[in-house]
Amino acid sequence: QQQVKQSPQSLIVQKGGISIINCAYENTAFDYFPWYQQFPGKGPALLIAIRPDVSEKKEGRFTISFNKSAKQFSLHIMDSQPGDSATYFCAASQSGTYKYIFGTGTRLKVLA
Amino acid sequence: KAGVTQTPRYLIKTRGQQVTLSCSPISGHRSVSWYQQTPGQGLQFLFEYFSETQRNKGNFPGRFSGRQFSNSRSEMNVSTLELGDSALYLCASTSVTGAGTEAFFGQGTRLTVV
Repeated sequence: QQQVKQSPQSLIVQKGGISIINCAYENTAFDYFPWYQQFPGKGPALLIAIRPDVSEKKEGRFTISFNKSAKQFSLHIMDSQPGDSATYFCAASQSGTYKYIFGTGTRLKVLA
Repeated sequence: KAGVTQTPRYLIKTRGQQVTLSCSPISGHRSVSWYQQTPGQGLQFLFEYFSETQRNKGNFPGRFSGRQFSNSRSEMNVSTLELGDSALYLCASTSVTGAGTEAFFGQGTRLTVV
């Protein structure tokens, strides 16, 4: 029940295209869902996050869509750029725990 | 504002040895969490400290331990190293905002056990 399932494992997108990464969770006590971006040799960097009382959040080219009834959330990267090539992790946490459960990661490659 | 600082960046140790990793959180952040990242298991939660107290612990053996000092700096220790302990160890400095519990990661310490 603590798992967060992430798909796909890898993704190749043409420059200018839309990248979509999906995550699903089981624990309904989770109430904070961040996405992290990680480049090789670096630590994960917080990209965007959402709470379950909101169905969508947009920051620049990055959008999170959240479906509370399906217990799913996804990251959309619009107008994908080669500089977006990185590994993306979804995560979930429960208020007060300061503990994240991470998805397995998606390696995104954007072709120039 | 300085980010999360982890030292050292790289370590090579021999099986059976012990190792200590250090983390300095973002100024003002009192919560520090540790994660282990491996290709096979991904990012896994080790433990979390707040005001020198361990509040949460992941599913790791007792060889993995940590502590936090009064200035919020944290150390983690791994004793009797095994080959499987080779990983990137990440420290996260956490703050509670209106959006939620935001965690900011350091660059990690790459530990290789030979």
